[in-house]
Amino acid sequence: TQLLEQSPQFLSIQEGENLTVYCNSSSVFSSLQWYRQEPGEGPVLLVTVVTGGEVKKLKRLTFQFGDARKDSSLHITAAQPGDTGLYLCAGGESGAGSYQLTFGKGTKLSVIP
Amino acid sequence: DAGITQSPRHKVTETGTPVTLRCHQTENHRYMYWYRQDPGHGLRLIHYSYGVKDTDKGEVSDGYSVSRSKTEDFLLTLESATSSQTSVYFCAVRESGGEQYFGPGTRLTVT
Repeated sequence: TQLLEQSPQFLSIQEGENLTVYCNSSSVFSSLQWYRQEPGEGPVLLVTVVTGGEVKKLKRLTFQFGDARKDSSLHITAAQPGDTGLYLCAGGESGAGSYQLTFGKGTKLSVIP
Repeated sequence: DAGITQSPRHKVTETGTPVTLRCHQTENHRYMYWYRQDPGHGLRLIHYSYGVKDTDKGEVSDGYSVSRSKTEDFLLTLESATSSQTSVYFCAVRESGGEQYFGPGTRLTVT
């Protein structure tokens, strides 16, 4: 069973601060996805990274896939209250007949105005 | 928006009763998934489908069954609900690039 560990579990910061969330595994993944989930809603896909060392930017969010495709990070610059939510990473693997995702337990981010 | 709806959105039921949750998609995705989300455990895969009448077990399939008689509908059944099945259930579909898109969820409480 492949495991993904996210850190930190909880993060409370002031508006305007920067932060980084980490997603680590001992296993290699074919891709890594990041989701954000707000209370009472389903996870919403933010980005997919597939190449070792890949960096993708989405406005103030920067996503990086590790060179060995075992880890990833999400960096938020100048956090805003609208960034508040649960951030989930998910590693993609190819199995017989399906494409399954292994999810981390999430990082709950609170951005205080 | 991947055109996924789930019904019901909320349900309270008693221990021992059967419960069926429905996932409906409008974009003809081949792969569909059922997850449960619990504090401290994250999202865990229950069952998935890779086509009409083609299903397989996930990580936490005990106590659950699924059916897919047509492309657009994927049903999750709890044959005899237990309190440990109180959870939020999410359906997801897979896009061609491998990404999964989730429905809004069903909050199930078993008393």
